[in-house]
Amino acid sequence: DIQMTQTPSSMPASLGERVTISCRASQGISNYLNWYQQKPDGTIKPLIYYTSNLQSGVPSRFSGSGSGTDYSLTISSLEPEDFAMYYCQQYDSSPLTFGSGTKLEIK
Amino acid sequence: EVQLVESGGGLVQPGASLKLSCVASGFTFSDYWMSWVRQTPGKTMEWIGDIKYDGSYTNYAPSLKNRFTISRDNAKSTLYLQMSNVRSEDTATYYCTRTDNNYCFDYWGQGVMVTVSS
Repeated sequence: DIQMTQTPSSMPASLGERVTISCRASQGISNYLNWYQQKPDGTIKPLIYYTSNLQSGVPSRFSGSGSGTDYSLTISSLEPEDFAMYYCQQYDSSPLTFGSGTKLEIK
Repeated sequence: EVQLVESGGGLVQPGASLKLSCVASGFTFSDYWMSWVRQTPGKTMEWIGDIKYDGSYTNYAPSLKNRFTISRDNAKSTLYLQMSNVRSEDTATYYCTRTDNNYCFDYWGQGVMVTVSS
């Protein structure tokens, strides 16, 4: 199985701040990486697919990048609704696997 | 509006069986692969498996393959997860998801809790 190491596990941040969450795969995953957001009420929605493509309706302050084994999600300027959990997920090979999650908290 | 509504969760004893259902609406169910994903109380996300749009193919996480079975009824727009010989480590919230062409889970249900305890 491909292991996804996501860092940090939690991140205190302020409104308007730029933040970056990282995900490292245990082997190359050829950009087959998606990102998700989970709100405190449990609602989950996709943010980015195939490393850098924004899902429909996702604000442009979200962006993704990476290649090989290293990927990242960046939020350019935090809004109140962005404080949530974030997960990466690889689909290069089965079984599909997720990172351990990053909790973005208000500083 | 796409909706996925899970049901069938609850408290179950170790070794028992349980069947979860997910009713889909707002899209043509028979056009999409569907998946189950679970989240443990510690917030770890785990892909359980998926099923092809016509039900002819399923794929599972190896650690769950022998105990979990995914099926679907396209006439009822319903996805199922049959869980057998459940263990305490199966305690989790189970999500039904629609899977798009990028293996992205583009819609999620609200989740259903399963607690395995004697």
